[in-house]
Amino acid sequence: GDSVTQMEGPVTLSEEAFLTINCTYTATGYPSLFWYVQYPGEGLQLLLKATKADDKGSNKGFEATYRKETTSFHLEKGSVQVSDSAVYFCALSEGGSYIPTFGRGTSLIVHP
Amino acid sequence: SQTIHQWPATLVQPVGSPLSLECTVEGTSNPNLYWYRQAAGRGLQLLFYSVGIGQISSEVPQNLSASRPQDRQFILSSKKLLLSDSGFYLCAWSVLAGGSSYNEQFFGPGTRLTVL
Repeated sequence: GDSVTQMEGPVTLSEEAFLTINCTYTATGYPSLFWYVQYPGEGLQLLLKATKADDKGSNKGFEATYRKETTSFHLEKGSVQVSDSAVYFCALSEGGSYIPTFGRGTSLIVHP
Repeated sequence: SQTIHQWPATLVQPVGSPLSLECTVEGTSNPNLYWYRQAAGRGLQLLFYSVGIGQISSEVPQNLSASRPQDRQFILSSKKLLLSDSGFYLCAWSVLAGGSSYNEQFFGPGTRLTVL
């Protein structure tokens, strides 16, 4: 079956540091890939997405590139802020499936 | 635009008491609806999903049940709560076109349930 593996957290950074959160996936077909963010006490919200190989999703300074050859979708940001502190979920969705597959989430803590 | 509502926002219930959590979606028709639970530690557990009125699929055996009495209403229930039912419950919706893999989900604000 499908699976999504994220790096264990928490990831702790100082403000303005470079961020990478690794995500790799296993899928039987050609899925769409997503990053969601969950701020404390809130629901998840879509951060960015990519629907085919080599697509780059971007939003709010975050980027991720769909790498089919390495089955990866790593999240990056050049300069993190305290307000980026949250839990980040990588997810995939296969064609025709109603059920997406989520990773376990990676907690990011950014210190001033 | 579409919005999703959940209530209540927080709930404290004794063990053995009943539960009813409600989720409604506005601004879309025939959405796919989902209930997730997030226990302490972050991971999402899919509990139920529904692709139409009266159609409920259960992903995890437990003492919870779900119903979809209207197109944009999804209810999570229990007759007798257990301590292990504590957690953060999230409702979500999506619209999946036939054969499309683009199943982006939209989440509600969540209900924090504490069973004592």
